[in-house]
Amino acid sequence: EAQVTQNPRYLITVTGKKLTVTCSQNMNHEYMSWYRQDPGLGLRQIYYSMNVEVTDKGDVPEGYKVSRKEKRNFPLILESPSPNQTSLYFCASSFGQGKTPREKLFFGSGTQLSVL
Amino acid sequence: GESVGLHLPTLSVQEGDNSIINCAYSNSASDYFIWYKQESGKGPQFIIDIRSNMDKRQGQRVTVLLNKTVKHLSLQIAATQPGDSAVYFCAEKVTGSARQLTFGSGTQLTVLP
Repeated sequence: EAQVTQNPRYLITVTGKKLTVTCSQNMNHEYMSWYRQDPGLGLRQIYYSMNVEVTDKGDVPEGYKVSRKEKRNFPLILESPSPNQTSLYFCASSFGQGKTPREKLFFGSGTQLSVL
Repeated sequence: GESVGLHLPTLSVQEGDNSIINCAYSNSASDYFIWYKQESGKGPQFIIDIRSNMDKRQGQRVTVLLNKTVKHLSLQIAATQPGDSAVYFCAEKVTGSARQLTFGSGTQLTVLP
């Protein structure tokens, strides 16, 4: 089944404790992206990657890191989480075409993160 | 930057009625628009999309209308069913841009029995 898989679904942590949220897709998509979703603010892009070893900042990159060592995986790293990073996070992927992503994004089921 | 927004945060309709969800966009360069449905506890799922060279596009029970003159987008759902209850997002993009979709804040659709 074609899908984007995120883990974990739920995570509670404390301020300053490094964490990683994993994302994997099995559709051979070039483009992958992370979003956070907050009430009233919709989906905001954190980072994206056009292909292996190619990443770039989205609208709200502060406090996050990503890596793209393999085409299928795109982990989101919070080196020192803070309470304002409590949010619902989504990984998404799509085919790419040269330097531009194709429009239709496929989303994972989400990771609810709480930073105490 | 420019943003995509929705007129109403919530919408309640009777089962069997038609639903209309509206969306305003402000980036006149946007030429691709897409609607997503997000059910509780799940990620957004693609519903339908439309390019700016079209005014209307129909899917299964859904129709998207695009009015470029007033920068307005709408999603019509025919014969709304309980399974249609969800948050609906519109999103926009400029074709050829390295940036992906810009999302609106969403409308919560509730279907009443």
